[in-house]
Amino acid sequence: ILNVEQSPQSLHVQEGDSTNFTCSFPSSNFYALHWYRWETAKSPEALFVMTLNGDEKKKGRISATLNTKEGYSYLYIKGSQPEDSATYLCAPLGSQGNLIFGKGTKLSVKP
Amino acid sequence: KAGVTQTPRYLIKTRGQQVTLSCSPISGHRSVSWYQQTPGQGLQFLFEYFSETQRNKGNFPGRFSGRQFSNSRSEMNVSTLELGDSALYLCASSLAASGSSYNEQFFGPGTRLTVL
Repeated sequence: ILNVEQSPQSLHVQEGDSTNFTCSFPSSNFYALHWYRWETAKSPEALFVMTLNGDEKKKGRISATLNTKEGYSYLYIKGSQPEDSATYLCAPLGSQGNLIFGKGTKLSVKP
Repeated sequence: KAGVTQTPRYLIKTRGQQVTLSCSPISGHRSVSWYQQTPGQGLQFLFEYFSETQRNKGNFPGRFSGRQFSNSRSEMNVSTLELGDSALYLCASSLAASGSSYNEQFFGPGTRLTVL
């Protein structure tokens, strides 16, 4: 069973700050890594699906990298905006074929 | 294109009762996964259905069951409710089974179940 750790648990930044958070998981028995954004009172929304070691994805000011050999992924947000406030979830796809979600990093961006 | 819908959105039950939650996936999606979220916990995987067959099951007691219909709509049933079953239940649909690496999931708004 994959044990997924996300850090930090929460983060408070000012508008314009850049930030990053970490998702770590056992490097074996892993096939893909998903990132989701979950805003309050909304549904989780997919950000990225990553599969290859060294993979890097970008969507606007948000980007993510993946290191499958050492079992971690970083999510970066450049120039945070209040609308970036949300909980960011990572979810490795394990050998049993289902996503295993971490508890998330809750980001609050103050204007 | 309509998103994933879940009914009901809110539900209050008492211990010992049973409950059925419904999930309608995005048109064309054949996979439906169910998750439970309780305070302080991440999304816990319950089960996945694909083409009316349960593909995968999480570590939950047998009181939790589900099914999928030919139109891909899915229901989840919890029997003999316990206080600890109070949670947000989310379903997510995807085109292919979740074992497909590129297969992102689309989540519904959830059903908030309160057990008194």
